[in-house]
Amino acid sequence: EVQLVESGGGLVQPGGSLRLSCAASGFTVSSNYMSWVRQAPGKGLEWVSVIYSGGSTYYADSVKGRFTISRDNSKNTLYLQMNSLRAEDTAVYYCARQRVVPTHYFDYWGQGTLVTVSS
Amino acid sequence: DIQMTQSPSSLSASVGDRVTITCRASQSISSYLNWYQQKPGKAPKLLIYAASSLQSGVPSRFSGSGSGTDFTLTISSLQPEDFATYYCQQSYSTRTFGPGTKVDIK
Repeated sequence: EVQLVESGGGLVQPGGSLRLSCAASGFTVSSNYMSWVRQAPGKGLEWVSVIYSGGSTYYADSVKGRFTISRDNSKNTLYLQMNSLRAEDTAVYYCARQRVVPTHYFDYWGQGTLVTVSS
Repeated sequence: DIQMTQSPSSLSASVGDRVTITCRASQSISSYLNWYQQKPGKAPKLLIYAASSLQSGVPSRFSGSGSGTDFTLTISSLQPEDFATYYCQQSYSTRTFGPGTKVDIK
């Protein structure tokens, strides 16, 4: 059974850092595209970042230069390192498996972890 | 970036109703359109991918259609568990989601 479990969220001050983790089971993270998607309180969904199976990474303009996506193949875990956090980064962060055939879509999602940026 | 719009932003319907939600892209995205359902406090759930392909395990009352810039999600007979917010998402370029359509009980 495919499962994604996020952790690492919490309260952080503006300008601070946080690292989110997404532990996967039932499939191999490194063989798949994996994304982070966030949702601000009461708002819609916003794609944040993706790491391809080959290791290429891409980011939304809103987080480029501040966030870094990575993975640990030995732990089958996805990460999101978030630096220089701003109030507008406050959101629930979901990790999701991204399928690529016949098109790109997110077929499995974690339960989400809440990040609150506030002084 | 490709912008996605949805209409209506919310609707009220009764169990058994046929419900149609529209999604429009700011440029042609072929069939690179997916639909998700989200209930309060829960992660989104994939319903439809590639505009019209039903995800495994999703009830057949859900269907999707369209190509180019205009797409629809149809629920043929609304069930109590279908009251939720529905999002479209394009995968033609950098992934963007529509603003959502909230379906609640009339």
